[in-house]
Amino acid sequence: AQSVSQHNHHVILSEAASLELGCNYSYGGTVNLFWYVQYPGQHLQLLLKYFSGDPLVKGIKGFEAEFIKSKFSFNLRKPSVQWSDTAEYFCAVRGYGGSQGNLIFGKGTKLSVKP
Amino acid sequence: DSGVTQTPKHLITATGQRVTLRCSPRSGDLSVYWYQQSLDQGLQFLIQYYNGEERAKGNILERFSAQQFPDLHSELNLSSLELGDSALYFCASSGGGHNYGYTFGSGTRLTVV
Repeated sequence: AQSVSQHNHHVILSEAASLELGCNYSYGGTVNLFWYVQYPGQHLQLLLKYFSGDPLVKGIKGFEAEFIKSKFSFNLRKPSVQWSDTAEYFCAVRGYGGSQGNLIFGKGTKLSVKP
Repeated sequence: DSGVTQTPKHLITATGQRVTLRCSPRSGDLSVYWYQQSLDQGLQFLIQYYNGEERAKGNILERFSAQQFPDLHSELNLSSLELGDSALYFCASSGGGHNYGYTFGSGTRLTVV
């Protein structure tokens, strides 16, 4: 079965610091990969997704993620965070075919950005 | 507004009771997914419907059931509620193929007292 592991439970940064959130997944086949963001009290919003092609994916609000197939990783990055990036970030994977076709989420990483 | 509508936004009920959560998918989306978000378990996939038929089941308890109606809205029924069922319940919809992301609703916060 698929699973997703996010390494950090809570990350605290100052504004303008660089961000990297780790995500590893386990699934032997072809996958789609996603990062979602959940601002306090709001629903999940899609930041970016990877289906195929260029492993470096650019998303909204200056976020990007790199798919490294050999490492089963899909880390999220942002060169300079802002206070408004304070939120919880979820990595998700969806495998191809059958019961593996649903989005499985990691437990999330809470990001707090100090002004 | 994501286009996925969930009602009610908040629900407080007593143990042993039954509640129904409702979800209207984004226009044109055939698939509906239900997720439970709790502090200790994170986001857990419960069940998926596609065009009225159950497509996949995740960690859904036997006390929980769902259905998708001909107009594509979906309902999640939770019965014999326990304190541990208190959580945020999210509905998401998608176009159904693999090259679609999920669009999430704002969730229903269920509190069982």
